[in-house]
Amino acid sequence: EVQLLESGGGLVQPGGSLRLSCAASGFTFTIFDMNWVRQAPGKGLEWVSGISVDGTTYYADSVKGRFTISRDNSKNTLYLQMSSLRAEDTALYYCAKGGWCDVWGQGTTVTVSS
Amino acid sequence: DVVMTQSPLSLPVILGQPASISCRSSQSLVHIDGNTYLNWFHQRPGQSPRRLIYMASNRDSGVPDRFSGSGSGTDFTLKISRVEAEDVGVYFCMQATHWPLLTFGGGTKVEI
Repeated sequence: EVQLLESGGGLVQPGGSLRLSCAASGFTFTIFDMNWVRQAPGKGLEWVSGISVDGTTYYADSVKGRFTISRDNSKNTLYLQMSSLRAEDTALYYCAKGGWCDVWGQGTTVTVSS
Repeated sequence: DVVMTQSPLSLPVILGQPASISCRSSQSLVHIDGNTYLNWFHQRPGQSPRRLIYMASNRDSGVPDRFSGSGSGTDFTLKISRVEAEDVGVYFCMQATHWPLLTFGGGTKVEI
C-alpha cells in the first residue's frame, strides 16, 4: 500500500524555522517527482514546492528564498526546510506523490504565531 | 500561472439526484505530449484529498462509477450521477499540465 507520512510540524514564532519530513513507502520513491502542498485554515489548496527525480527544485513565489525542498532517496524521505516563517505560512502541509499528486499524506500542521 | 476557476462555490444536493461541478482554466491544459493533465479530488472534513479522476476523464481505482469527468482544453466538468451521503465534502480540480507549477481550483462544497 502506498503511504506518505508527514511529521515535523508545530508551533513556531515568526521568523523561526522548521523542517518537515515525509516518509514514503509502498512505491519506488526514486522514480517519482514529489510535491508539498499546503492548506491554510478554512482555505483551499496551494502548491508550495516540488522536486523532480533528478533533484531539480521548484518553489511558489510566496516561499522562494525561504523554503528548501530536498529528498533522500536512500531513506525514501522528502523534506521541506522552512525558515523566516510568517503568520501567513500557517497551514496544514501535505506531501503528495508524483507530478499528478495521486496520493497524499495525512498532513502536518504548522502554526506561526507569537 | 494557470488560474483554475471552479463553480459553484457551494452545491446543495439531494440524495439520489445528479450533481455537476465546473472547472475552467486560464490556459489550455493540453500538454505538449497531447495529454490533458486535469485531476479532480474529493476532500472529506478532517481528511486529506483523495484523487477521483485523472487526465480529465479517467477514474482512479476504487472510485465508484457514479463519478465521471469530462471536458477538454480549458473547460472541464465533474459529474455525480446519483449523489450518496458519503459524497459530501469539498471537490477540487487541479492542473498538472504545467508541472511543477501546479494550481488548484478554489473548491466546491457539496452538502446535502
